[in-house]
Amino acid sequence: GQNIDQPTEMTATEGAIVQINCTYQTSGFNGLFWYQQHAGEAPTFLSYNVLDGLEEKGRFSSFLSRSKGYSYLLLKELQMKDSASYLCAVRDRSGGSYIPTFGRGTSLIVHP
Amino acid sequence: DAGVIQSPRHEVTEMGQEVTLRCKPISGHNSLFWYRQTMMRGLELLIYFNNNVPIDDSGMPEDRFSAKMPNASFSTLKIQPSEPRDSAVYFCASTHGPSGGATDTQYFGPGTRLTVL
Repeated sequence: GQNIDQPTEMTATEGAIVQINCTYQTSGFNGLFWYQQHAGEAPTFLSYNVLDGLEEKGRFSSFLSRSKGYSYLLLKELQMKDSASYLCAVRDRSGGSYIPTFGRGTSLIVHP
Repeated sequence: DAGVIQSPRHEVTEMGQEVTLRCKPISGHNSLFWYRQTMMRGLELLIYFNNNVPIDDSGMPEDRFSAKMPNASFSTLKIQPSEPRDSAVYFCASTHGPSGGATDTQYFGPGTRLTVL
């Protein structure tokens, strides 16, 4: 299985940039997802990385280094509505299952 | 599309009672997942179905939990008897298929918040 590690909580200021890191250990890496989850709501898809490098999507970018077992989610021009939990999920193809395993999530608090 | 639909949104019950959670996946999706989320353990996969067939139920905590998918548009998760430690948010999610690729992004329902007293 996977061992996924994310910081529990981060705080940042409105308008700033924040980087949320995720490290993982897996034997058959097959993709990494980032989800956003607002309090009391369902997780929603943000990004998917399967090759090394940076994927940019508006204010959000996600980076992957497979050799280092490392990813980060970069949020620019932070807004108050970005306060949420950010979940890193890793898919492992070993055993024939392609189901992602989720990290515990990073709670981001954006303050004025 | 209405997205993944779950009911009820909130359930409060007493220990020992049977609880049934319901899910309707997105039309055309052929994989369905049941997750449980708690502060202590985060988001845990309980069971998933592909084409209505249970593929992996290794996450089901014990025999008190059971899940069915009688057709492509409906699934249930049942807890009998329920216990206070089952209190959590239960999410249902669906995807196009189980294999690799961005098209297999999971779409989550709004969740059922279960409280067992």
